[in-house]
Amino acid sequence: QVQLVQSGAEVKKPGSSVKVSCKASGDTSNTYAINWVRQAPGQGLEWMGRIMPFVDIVIYAQKFQDRVTITADKSSNSAYMELSSLNSADTAVYYCARGVAGDPDYFDYWGQGTVVTVPP
Amino acid sequence: DIQMTQSPSSLSVSVGDRVTITCRASEIIGTYLNWYRQQPGKAPELLIYTASTLQSGVPSTFSGSGSGTDFTLTISGLLPQDSAIYFCQQTYSSPYTFGQGTKLEIK
Repeated sequence: QVQLVQSGAEVKKPGSSVKVSCKASGDTSNTYAINWVRQAPGQGLEWMGRIMPFVDIVIYAQKFQDRVTITADKSSNSAYMELSSLNSADTAVYYCARGVAGDPDYFDYWGQGTVVTVPP
Repeated sequence: DIQMTQSPSSLSVSVGDRVTITCRASEIIGTYLNWYRQQPGKAPELLIYTASTLQSGVPSTFSGSGSGTDFTLTISGLLPQDSAIYFCQQTYSSPYTFGQGTKLEIK
């Protein structure tokens, strides 16, 4: 059974950065992608980008292109999402989700979510 | 970006009822459409992918259909645990986008 375990909640100051980790266990064959999705309080789901560790390809949503960095460490089956220049609008739950990285794509396993709070 | 629009935004139904949620894409996406359920306080979970394929372990009370721009998720024999928010998602092109969600309340 695949499990994605994320790092704990963070409270950050405006203008700072946050780095969230996502560690995979179970079926850790490296032919999958890790996607990052966020959900602001009471809002919907917003895709931020993904990394395909087996080919070191990263794709970002244009909205976050200038502020987000997604990386992976294949040796530890972990992925990371760093978001910089934080402001209160970045307060959200951040999820990692495994994507099949194929055609079609879908997210079959999700992390438990990491709450990031940026006070005004 | 492809816009995904769900309807209704919310609905209240009874245990045992059948409900249909619709999702419309702003352009043709073939069958690159997935459905997720998010129970309160939890991460989303995959229900259906490629518009109509049931994810392993998901009860057959869930079904999906559609292609092109119009899609539906149908849930029959509603149970109390089906009370959740349901999201559609297109993976036809980047950025992947989600519908705004449909909140389903079981009376």
